[in-house]
Amino acid sequence: QKEVEQDPGPLSVPEGAIVSLNCTYSNSAFQYFMWYRQYSRKGPELLMYTYSSGNKEDGRFTAQVDKSSKYISLFIRDSQPSDSATYLCATLTGGGNKLTFGTGTQLKVEL
Amino acid sequence: DTGVSQDPRHKITKRGQNVTFRCDPISEHNRLYWYRQTLGQGPEFLTYFQNEAQLEKSRLLSDRFSAERPKGSFSTLEIQRTEQGDSAMYLCGSSKGPYNEQFFGPGTRLTVL
Repeated sequence: QKEVEQDPGPLSVPEGAIVSLNCTYSNSAFQYFMWYRQYSRKGPELLMYTYSSGNKEDGRFTAQVDKSSKYISLFIRDSQPSDSATYLCATLTGGGNKLTFGTGTQLKVEL
Repeated sequence: DTGVSQDPRHKITKRGQNVTFRCDPISEHNRLYWYRQTLGQGPEFLTYFQNEAQLEKSRLLSDRFSAERPKGSFSTLEIQRTEQGDSAMYLCGSSKGPYNEQFFGPGTRLTVL
């Protein structure tokens, strides 16, 4: 079993839709989670960093962690064509020293 | 620009050649990381430095790979005797310390012919 699992998509939504991106993780000891956005042939860009359970909001983005079900989510409100990218979830492992990533979900927001 | 920078952005080489990549982290960050990403996959951890000390290496980092961070500033990743399986995006990241956000550079895309 992979430590972090993510549906690769692709996910296609119309402009203005609410997008829900999800990951599951295997180890209940994981506490630090990140979401990155990666445009084609570019480096990952950090969007959200959360600790333990609960929600964190930043503009149109909300990150949610449910430790009871080992489930993390990223919601994008009022999605735009510029949000079309691959979204990577990750957790800090190895004593906070390295990131373990999911495979990424490819999102396309269509006009 | 005060972000992480990497050089070169693209490298095409023939099998068996040696290649070297450079990473300049965010200036106040003492941790530097190398990851490798293949098409359709998330990045995979290779190694990290705390200042000039290399503290952990993944089993993915074969004997042909070596990384250095002299004086705790920029880092280099060298691949000797490249193989076609080494073709990937090599990402460098940096952070202020453990349990801190990791920020990534644009990556170096390696193609081994």
